[in-house]
Amino acid sequence: DAGVIQSPRHEVTEMGQEVTLRCKPISGHNSLFWYRQTMMRGLELLIYFNNNVPIDDSGMPEDRFSAKMPNASFSTLKIQPSEPRDSAVYFCASSQAGDQPQHFGDGTRLSIL
Amino acid sequence: AQSVTQLGSHVSVSEGALVLLRCNYSSSVPPYLFWYVQYPNQGLQLLLKYTSAATLVKGINGFEAEFKKSETSFHLTKPSAHMSDAAEYFCAVSAYSSASKIIFGSGTRLSIRP
Repeated sequence: DAGVIQSPRHEVTEMGQEVTLRCKPISGHNSLFWYRQTMMRGLELLIYFNNNVPIDDSGMPEDRFSAKMPNASFSTLKIQPSEPRDSAVYFCASSQAGDQPQHFGDGTRLSIL
Repeated sequence: AQSVTQLGSHVSVSEGALVLLRCNYSSSVPPYLFWYVQYPNQGLQLLLKYTSAATLVKGINGFEAEFKKSETSFHLTKPSAHMSDAAEYFCAVSAYSSASKIIFGSGTRLSIRP
């Protein structure tokens, strides 16, 4: 079975540009999570969805960040405008409801110059 | 509310030695507990999970963890370290009643000395 698929794997862009990260969860999983990982702050939960509905976005750092899940097989995390402090590895994960663990994608390494 | 504390941001052991990574949790309801491993340039992979069944949980790659309610601990062990075990390890907790949201610890980097 295919795992969680994220694209792009690497993104380098200049500050002020819009950045869109994409995620395809595992088929049949109804929860989707976006995380950010940095050396300074570790792994942070940004937002998660259940059945395509955002449940908790308290981890989204500011209004420049937005996430959508238009259907069960696709989600985006958008940063507009991007800033150098947004540089990090962004992970998407999915799980079934209940006691099931989360399955992570390989991440998008984002560098904002 | 749930939280998890990993003691030691970096642990170094010799190849063949015992691996012990410490994790203490806090939860107001019966918890689910997890250990994940992250290899360089990869996402997190599940090592093992505790979901209120047996207190001693066996995972992949020879790892196991024991749930001790009295100590609120869920330490990860492996009898004999291998060079390929070098990675970052994360302990995580979620609430029994809302297991969709998992709280991760800050991680422990395991190094293996030849």
